[in-house]
Amino acid sequence: ETGVTQTPRHLVMGMTNKKSLKCEQHLGHNAMYWYKQSAKKPLELMFVYSLEERVENNSVPSRFSPECPNSSHLFLHLHTLQPEDSALYLCASSGGLGGSGEQYFGPGTRLTVT
Amino acid sequence: GQNIDQPTEMTATEGAIVQINCTYQTSGFNGLFWYQQHAGEAPTFLSYNVLDGLEEKGRFSSFLSRSKGYSYLLLKELQMKDSASYLCAVLNRDDKIIFGKGTRLHILP
Repeated sequence: ETGVTQTPRHLVMGMTNKKSLKCEQHLGHNAMYWYKQSAKKPLELMFVYSLEERVENNSVPSRFSPECPNSSHLFLHLHTLQPEDSALYLCASSGGLGGSGEQYFGPGTRLTVT
Repeated sequence: GQNIDQPTEMTATEGAIVQINCTYQTSGFNGLFWYQQHAGEAPTFLSYNVLDGLEEKGRFSSFLSRSKGYSYLLLKELQMKDSASYLCAVLNRDDKIIFGKGTRLHILP
């Protein structure tokens, strides 16, 4: 497989559930990102990892917990979510932070919290 | 605060030219990106500008004026497949990327 993959593509969960989103990149990149995309709102950067170290945490509620076990994999652990957390969650990777490091996005996970 | 403004929606005709503007106010500037996002799909990279001027890439060109905090994406010879949202994003001085809300472009036959 090539590029950035995400699983699952769709997820419906109750507010008391615990689930995890998975992202994998096959591009040899060093930086990975989680974004939230809600309707009629700009893409919101949630977390940034560079060389498996978290370098950015954009005031995201603790019910979202990222994990980066290695430079190719990124997880987003979800627990006790709220209905307003329903959104498209996008993972991206880049060669490095900043500069001309264009980001390659995965297809996203469409999350619905009931 | 940090702010990126672009029109919410635009409509153009197949074969024509359209210009999508983006203005920004951010804490420092390390570059500006344009992404294309088709409905239900992930964004894909179109261009990156860090110096003033025009960057041309096939039918798409991107312009930047840092002194004015302004960029535009120019699409020529429009095709129906160009119907998508176009996202302007700025890297601030901390290399944090900030996205605009996107411009939804409708192409009419």
